[in-house]
Amino acid sequence: GAGVSQTPSNKVTEKGKYVELRCDPISGHTALYWYRQSLGQGPEFLIYFQGTGAADDSGLPNDRFFAVRPEGSVSTLKIQRTERGDSAVYLCASSPGRTDTQYFGPGTRLTVL
Amino acid sequence: DAKTTQPTSMDCAEGRAANLPCNHSTISGNEYVYWYRQIHSQGPQYIIHGLKNNETNEMASLIITEDRKSSTLILPHATLRDTAVYYCIVRPQGAQKLVFGQGTRLTINP
Repeated sequence: GAGVSQTPSNKVTEKGKYVELRCDPISGHTALYWYRQSLGQGPEFLIYFQGTGAADDSGLPNDRFFAVRPEGSVSTLKIQRTERGDSAVYLCASSPGRTDTQYFGPGTRLTVL
Repeated sequence: DAKTTQPTSMDCAEGRAANLPCNHSTISGNEYVYWYRQIHSQGPQYIIHGLKNNETNEMASLIITEDRKSSTLILPHATLRDTAVYYCIVRPQGAQKLVFGQGTRLTINP
């Protein structure tokens, strides 16, 4: 079946701009996760959704980062006033339930110039 | 969360078994051992996980020591496509997020 998909695959923006990154989870998966991966590092947790609600947003670095999942399926990660330090690969994962195995998408590579 | 220690890098010859160690000496009784791998420019790929017993699937085998303080991921017949960074993760039962370390960069040589 179809896996987790993320769009765009690459995004280049200028410092100070607003960006949205989209994640389409595996159909029927109720749990959705966002991670961020800087060059040479392992992925770092950002936020977790169970259904429509953000159950754990403890990994969001500051209030410029926000994510939504209005209908319990597709999720959008929003970054305001982007900074060069936001450059990274943003990964999305989904799982059937909150403690099940997570399956990752290919990621969106964000570059802030 | 329990920390894991993995070698930074390893090499293995194509066709041989690749044995990737992971130390998790502070693991608790309700914590699972998960393995993921990440091929260059792709998202992490789930491989296998276990609690106490050894596990095997179509990708690999997971051997967990009796005291659960370490484990080994075994790729029985490594191919060039197995070149990747392999992450050993300890995940508490009921926990949602995964905590990744630096992983082991495994290179399969022809």
